[in-house]
Amino acid sequence: DIQMTQSPSSVSASVGDRVTITCRASQGISSWLAWYQQKPGKAPKLLIYAASSLQSGVPSRFSGSESGTDFTLTVSSLQPEDFATYFCQQTKSFPLTFGGGTKVEV
Amino acid sequence: QLQLQESGPGLVKPSETLSLTCTVSGGSIRSSNHYWGWIRQPPGKGLEWIGSIYYSGSSYYNPSLISRVTISVDTAKNQFSLKLTSVTAADTAVFYCARHDQIENWFDPWGQGTLVTVSS
Repeated sequence: DIQMTQSPSSVSASVGDRVTITCRASQGISSWLAWYQQKPGKAPKLLIYAASSLQSGVPSRFSGSESGTDFTLTVSSLQPEDFATYFCQQTKSFPLTFGGGTKVEV
Repeated sequence: QLQLQESGPGLVKPSETLSLTCTVSGGSIRSSNHYWGWIRQPPGKGLEWIGSIYYSGSSYYNPSLISRVTISVDTAKNQFSLKLTSVTAADTAVFYCARHDQIENWFDPWGQGTLVTVSS
């Protein structure tokens, strides 16, 4: 199985901050990576797929990038509605696997 | 727009079978571009893919659960279902159903999720 390791597990931030979350794959997955946002008591929401493609309707302050087996989700200017937990998911092969999550909190 | 809704018992006894159904509305489950998947999340923990099914019945399972999981599809009702046998407390989780892109393997949209507790 491909293991996905997210860091940090939590990050404290303020409105307007630039926030960066990292996900590392245990083996090469090319650009086969998705990012999700999950708010308390809600289902995850797809933000980015193919490492850097923004899902329709997602604000442009969200962006994704990759460097080898390291992937980054960046929120350029954190908004109040962005305080949530973020998960990465490798989409290269079965079994599909997720990172452990990063909680963005005040 | 496409919506998914999970349904089923919220409490299951240890050693019994967990059964959930996902009803798809606003679109057809007979999509040539999508699978239909189940994902679970133990309270306060991360996400685990359980398995996915195509409308034809072809299915893919997480090897960690393959001996206990069956996913089926009912195209007439626009539903797909999950059965997980021999449950233990470790199976307590919020279970989500979601549309699974056949090419990109992402999940969108998701159902709201249903908490299933395994307890006697």
